[in-house]
Amino acid sequence: ETGVTQTPRHLVMGMTNKKSLKCEQHLGHNAMYWYKQSAKKPLELMFVYSLEERVENNSVPSRFSPECPNSSHLFLHLHTLQPEDSALYLCASSQGGGVGTEAFFGQGTRLTVV
Amino acid sequence: GQSLEQPSEVTAVEGAIVQINCTYQTSGFYGLSWYQQHDGGAPTFLSYNALDGLEETGRFSSFLSRSDSYGYLLLQELQMKDSASYFCAVRANTPLVFGKGTRLSVIA
Repeated sequence: ETGVTQTPRHLVMGMTNKKSLKCEQHLGHNAMYWYKQSAKKPLELMFVYSLEERVENNSVPSRFSPECPNSSHLFLHLHTLQPEDSALYLCASSQGGGVGTEAFFGQGTRLTVV
Repeated sequence: GQSLEQPSEVTAVEGAIVQINCTYQTSGFYGLSWYQQHDGGAPTFLSYNALDGLEETGRFSSFLSRSDSYGYLLLQELQMKDSASYFCAVRANTPLVFGKGTRLSVIA
């Protein structure tokens, strides 16, 4: 247990569905991240929130919509996804968005789009 | 932008030593991190080098040469449980950027 909890662990959704991924951290960190991990590809940074403000948005399609209601919670809202969006979605947190040296990751949500 | 290169796969024998290299191109470099990820698990932090030289933590050591934009992770006395993917990550003017990962297989 790393102190970062993601739910659900597995999700299968159709292309017309709307679902949300949830991430919660109990480490007192002030920065949270969404990463996408596809097979044979590096971890891709999607979004960064620092002090609850979005500071990074790496050209992610609008069908992915993040939300950070407070420093402990991060959501990723999904709608009208494509099969190529199937991947492992990892949440991470650190102390300091740009200066943190260690990121703590959740176990990830394995998403399958059918 | 940032880019990192590391070997995709490495195989080593139990009890041996293995070195996983990482070269990077980035601007505003702060440091190089290493993460371990077992199948089905989350990446976990192993080490961080901000200055040139070798950092040792038990069986694992990490090295950085800022002038060469190069670092490596050294694993000694390999154990079967060390079979995992290892990622180098650069901390620069942006949040962490990860390499593609090196799949380490430890064989008996």
